[in-house]
Amino acid sequence: QKEVEQNSGPLSVPEGAIASLNCTYSDRGSQSFFWYRQYSGKSPELIMSIYSNGDKEDGRFTAQLNKASQYVSLLIRDSQPSDSATYLCATVATDKLIFGTGTRLQVFP
Amino acid sequence: DVKVTQSSRYLVKRTGEKVFLECVQDMDHENMFWYRQDPGLGLRLIYFSYDVKMKEKGDIPEGYSVSREKKERFSLILESASTNQTSMYLCASSFITEDTQYFGPGTRLTVL
Repeated sequence: QKEVEQNSGPLSVPEGAIASLNCTYSDRGSQSFFWYRQYSGKSPELIMSIYSNGDKEDGRFTAQLNKASQYVSLLIRDSQPSDSATYLCATVATDKLIFGTGTRLQVFP
Repeated sequence: DVKVTQSSRYLVKRTGEKVFLECVQDMDHENMFWYRQDPGLGLRLIYFSYDVKMKEKGDIPEGYSVSREKKERFSLILESASTNQTSMYLCASSFITEDTQYFGPGTRLTVL
């Protein structure tokens, strides 16, 4: 079982809709979780980090963490074509950051 | 703002050549990392370093070595480049292990 799993997509949503990106992890001891955005040909950039159960909001982005279900998600409200990218979920395990393979999001006008 | 720079955006080398990829960070971060990224395989950790002159193997260290002589600089070395090392190489740094990693722009290496 992979340590961090994401659906590779593509996830296609219309402009203005809510995009929901999901991630599951295997290490129950994981405490820190990160969402990165990666545009094609570019390096990953941090969108949000979350450490506690519940929701954390930052502008149009909301990260949700449920440690009991070992599940973390990212919601993007009012999706824009500029949000089209690959979104990587990551968590710390055995002193290393473990990344999922990413979900490709496509926002169409 | 954290800044992580890499010596080259694009690099073309021949099989058997020795290749040096340089990474510099300006935020006094303790930890530095080298990854490669390939389609469908995601980010894979090659080597990382917690301190000057210290290195740890990641998940795929074979065919690579690293050097960290100064805190701000972490070099990845391909001793004898092979075609299966054609990839995007990403350097990252962080203050502590559990903290956010900041990535450089990446080096797309092609080995012919």
